[in-house]
Amino acid sequence: RKEVEQDPGPFNVPEGATVAFNCTYSNSASQSFFWYRQDCRKEPKLLMSVYSSGNEDGRFTAQLNRASQYISLLIRDSKLSDSATYLCVPRGNTGKLIFGQGTTLQVKP
Amino acid sequence: NAGVTQTPKFQVLKTGQSMTLQCAQDMNHNSMYWYRQDPGMGLRLIYYSASEGTTDKGEVPNGYNVSRLNKREFSLRLESAAPSQTSVYFCASSVNYPIEKLFFGSGTQLSVL
Repeated sequence: RKEVEQDPGPFNVPEGATVAFNCTYSNSASQSFFWYRQDCRKEPKLLMSVYSSGNEDGRFTAQLNRASQYISLLIRDSKLSDSATYLCVPRGNTGKLIFGQGTTLQVKP
Repeated sequence: NAGVTQTPKFQVLKTGQSMTLQCAQDMNHNSMYWYRQDPGMGLRLIYYSASEGTTDKGEVPNGYNVSRLNKREFSLRLESAAPSQTSVYFCASSVNYPIEKLFFGSGTQLSVL
């Protein structure tokens, strides 16, 4: 099993829709989790950090389910500018930061 | 404030040639990383350095060597380039506390013919 798994998509949604992605991780020692956004193979940029059960920032909500070992990212009221690839990164206790494959979102007008 | 600087931005090599990708950060970060990204794939960790003087293998270290020259610089060397190493390479650094956040360089597009 891969350390971090994401559905690559693409997820095609209309503007204004709500969309959610999941990220499953295998290392039960992971203590913190990060969602990064990557535009067209440019450098990734941090979107959200999650240290407890979840985090919310405007239209974006991340929720952590430690029992099932997954973290989700919910985007409400999707905008065209949300079109990107979303990368999940759990942080374990070794210092390694292993990325998931990423989930591609395409928001259509 | 430059952040993370990678050089070169583009490079074409012939099979068997060697080269070093340079990375420097000016944020006084302890940890530095090298990733590669192939089309349709996420970032795969090649090597990382948790602190000055230490380096560890990541997911795909074969064919690469690294040097953490000092706290600022972390270089990646391809001793004998192969077409399978054609990729986009990203260097990153992070501050570990209180919030772990990776700062990325703008990437190096490497083609091996």
